[in-house]
Amino acid sequence: DTAVSQTPKYLVTQMGNDKSIKCEQNLGHDTMYWYKQDSKKFLKIMFSYNNKELIINETVPNRFSPKSPDKAHLNLHINSLELGDSAVYFCASSQRDGIPFFGQGTRLTVV
Amino acid sequence: QQQVKQSPQSLIVQKGGIPIINCAYENTAFDYFPWYQQFPGKGPALLIAIRPDVSEKKEGRFTISFNKSAKQFSLHIMDSQPGDSATYFCASQTGANNLFFGTGTRLTVIP
Repeated sequence: DTAVSQTPKYLVTQMGNDKSIKCEQNLGHDTMYWYKQDSKKFLKIMFSYNNKELIINETVPNRFSPKSPDKAHLNLHINSLELGDSAVYFCASSQRDGIPFFGQGTRLTVV
Repeated sequence: QQQVKQSPQSLIVQKGGIPIINCAYENTAFDYFPWYQQFPGKGPALLIAIRPDVSEKKEGRFTISFNKSAKQFSLHIMDSQPGDSATYFCASQTGANNLFFGTGTRLTVIP
């Protein structure tokens, strides 16, 4: 199936741990994103990569580091997790200047 | 700072009714206005989108009305069905792929 797929779907971890979320798209898109959806369902962009190059880096703590090994993959690594990092994280992809298509989300719970 | 203001926060209609969700923006650099539909536990899915050079776009039961001078746009759902119950997000995008979302409207369609 053509899609934006991210793993894992659920992630429960303790404060202070380091975790990664993986994302892959097979739509042939040039641009990939990470969005955060908070408990009030507000969606906000975190990062955007175009052909492996970072083009949008919103005000996000340094503990969040995206990595794009190739244009079909954009992983999100989070260091020293905090309670406030609990949210749903969405990966998305688009053609350059196109509308993003979203993955199914990763629900991160920090305890 | 909320780039896109969306209302109402929640909406309940009877089956067959026509729910209307409104959005307003300030930044005249926005050049693409998509609507997303999100079901619980799923990622936002693109529903319909409009560019500011047209005043209306219809796809099936979904219609976007766009008022460029007022910087407002709205989503109308004709003959609403219980399966339309979801959270709807308007969004505004510049050519640089930065997509700003509204705060979401939770729609419930009662059978």
